[in-house]
Amino acid sequence: EPEVTQTPSHQVTQMGQEVILRCVPISNHLYFYWYRQILGQKVEFLVSFYNNEISEKSEIFDDQFSVERPDGSNFTLKIRSTKLEDSAMYFCASSEPRRAQHEAFFGQGTRLTVV
Amino acid sequence: EDKVVQSPLSLVVHEGDTVTLNCSYEVTNFRSLLWYKQEKKAPTFLFMLTSSGIEKKSGRLSSILDKKELFSILNITATQTGDSAVYLCAVSLEVGNQFYFGTGTSLTVIP
Repeated sequence: EPEVTQTPSHQVTQMGQEVILRCVPISNHLYFYWYRQILGQKVEFLVSFYNNEISEKSEIFDDQFSVERPDGSNFTLKIRSTKLEDSAMYFCASSEPRRAQHEAFFGQGTRLTVV
Repeated sequence: EDKVVQSPLSLVVHEGDTVTLNCSYEVTNFRSLLWYKQEKKAPTFLFMLTSSGIEKKSGRLSSILDKKELFSILNITATQTGDSAVYLCAVSLEVGNQFYFGTGTSLTVIP
């Protein structure tokens, strides 16, 4: 069964360092998303991406964040200068063409710990 | 302000019990409501509801949407320990393509 895969599963980084979280969406999907979940809090939308550009982003997704689809399979989230409050579980998701507002399939997540 | 509110926040039941989880929402331009099950990590998709009054069913799980009263329920009958998880409700809008999640209901099924 096709699935969204994310690497690494856990990343520990020092405050101020740059991190790149990687995702391989389901192959025929065209809409990609990043969500995050701070421990004990709700899942929060960060950004959606379609046709090689950001289609929507939340207020959380400030200048420290960027996304990229460097090739035909990977979708990355970069945090330029991490802060303690960036510590969270980051989920990548993808959805089918013409179904962007329907079900999204989530990866297993990357737990980011900023120390 | 919270667009999606789930209740209860947590629930502990015995195996075999039936549970009802609630999700209410307050949004404009509603498109769909989705239920996800989150065990250790990734939310896994359960149901998507777009029309009022039509029950979606999968095994012991079922869900229904009331667009007039702006809520949905997720029922689980004959609960098993494997049903222990956080159940997330999310809403999507006609405009944009993000999902708005509730805080989830943590269900624990004890033998």
